[in-house]
Amino acid sequence: AQKVTQAQTEISVVEKEDVTLDCVYETRDTTYYLFWYKQPPSGELVFLIRRNSFDEQNEISGRYSWNFQKSTSSFNFTITASQVVDSAVYFCALSEGNSGYSTLTFGKGTMLLVSP
Amino acid sequence: GAVVSQHPSRVICKSGTSVKIECRSLDFQATTMFWYRQFPKQSLMLMATSNEGSKATYEQGVEKDKFLINHASLTLSTLTVTSAHPEDSSFYICSASPGQGGRQPQHFGDGTRLSIL
Repeated sequence: AQKVTQAQTEISVVEKEDVTLDCVYETRDTTYYLFWYKQPPSGELVFLIRRNSFDEQNEISGRYSWNFQKSTSSFNFTITASQVVDSAVYFCALSEGNSGYSTLTFGKGTMLLVSP
Repeated sequence: GAVVSQHPSRVICKSGTSVKIECRSLDFQATTMFWYRQFPKQSLMLMATSNEGSKATYEQGVEKDKFLINHASLTLSTLTVTSAHPEDSSFYICSASPGQGGRQPQHFGDGTRLSIL
């Protein structure tokens, strides 16, 4: 069975600080996909990134970066120079590629509060 | 990019009312659609998976007679909460996928906030 653990329930930082959101996953499949979504207070889910299990290259997109480490089953997300608009709940999710469906298993989410 | 439209965005109604929520894929054909439920300050929990033209597959603990899902076309799935009660109040969010397998990402609607009085 697949499982996603986001151990940090809530993180508070001051604007311009860097912050890392942790994500640890469990799966028996060798083919799988990892995702990060942002959910602002308005409720919609904003897709941030998808990474497949065969691509361990780290990725940077503006102030966002992701560190995928298969050896530790982790897919951590770092926001550099955080801004108030980054305040949201962030979900890490896993999809097993061989399941026949693109069913997503979500972590419990990490609420990020960025204060001015 | 792929767009999924969910309607209505908010519903407030009396106990005993049945409520229908629509999920439409606007610019792609969705072979598979998913319905999630999210309680305040909690994660998204998958309720059911529906494939066009076949019966939905419900997750354990989800009452299929309570939450009716219809996926009659490749662009529309509906979730009907029958005889809703206050405990059904929640945030419901749908997603759609162009195909099966993790290669095809899910695209999410903006969610429906359901409040039963």
